[in-house]
Amino acid sequence: AAGVIQSPRHLIKEKRETATLKCYPIPRHDTVYWYQQGPGQDPQFLISFYEKMQSDKGSIPDRFSAQQFSDYHSELNMSSLELGDSALYFCASSTHGYGYTFGSGTRLTVV
Amino acid sequence: AQSVTQPDIHITVSEGASLELRCNYSYGATPYLFWYVQSPGQGLQLLLKYFSGDTLVQGIKGFEAEFKRSQSSFNLRKPSVHWSDAAEYFCAVGGKGSGNTGKLIFGQGTTLQVKP
Repeated sequence: AAGVIQSPRHLIKEKRETATLKCYPIPRHDTVYWYQQGPGQDPQFLISFYEKMQSDKGSIPDRFSAQQFSDYHSELNMSSLELGDSALYFCASSTHGYGYTFGSGTRLTVV
Repeated sequence: AQSVTQPDIHITVSEGASLELRCNYSYGATPYLFWYVQSPGQGLQLLLKYFSGDTLVQGIKGFEAEFKRSQSSFNLRKPSVHWSDAAEYFCAVGGKGSGNTGKLIFGQGTTLQVKP
């Protein structure tokens, strides 16, 4: 069965650089979620999109932005990177509350 | 406020012993409840979930969980732990998945160590 695909798996950036993370949801899933998991922390909700519109917003810094495209894939754009942005970034997708599935995550390291 | 509490940060059990990981939640509407397992540096694997119906839910790897609305709890159990079960376990609560809800709120996690 198709899963949630995230790319890249690993990313190393320097401070003040920009990063773009991509998420390809399960086909026919209408909602995409982004989460951030810092070292030793639980995942924290950042933002979600339902049918390509932002549906909910959590503790996402102003330096971050995201969007969902016509093919339902989503991108998380992170600018002016800080050391504290180093984390695992997960994407998840679902449809009408069912099939909630996480991707394998992107590990971002800011040096 | 919506929240999930996992009272035990770290649990150590002997291989073959039974296991119970506690989870309490606070949620304004009918909750959807999840248990995930995560190995170091890896993704989140769904163990089981409760949406409605039978309050005793069976999951993968021999895990089960019981939803108790009166106690706002969703404890995870396994009758006999294997060494490969050592990992971080997260309880999560959410609502309907489309529209303005559906985000998951996670507990702080419980680290399970298995003694040989």
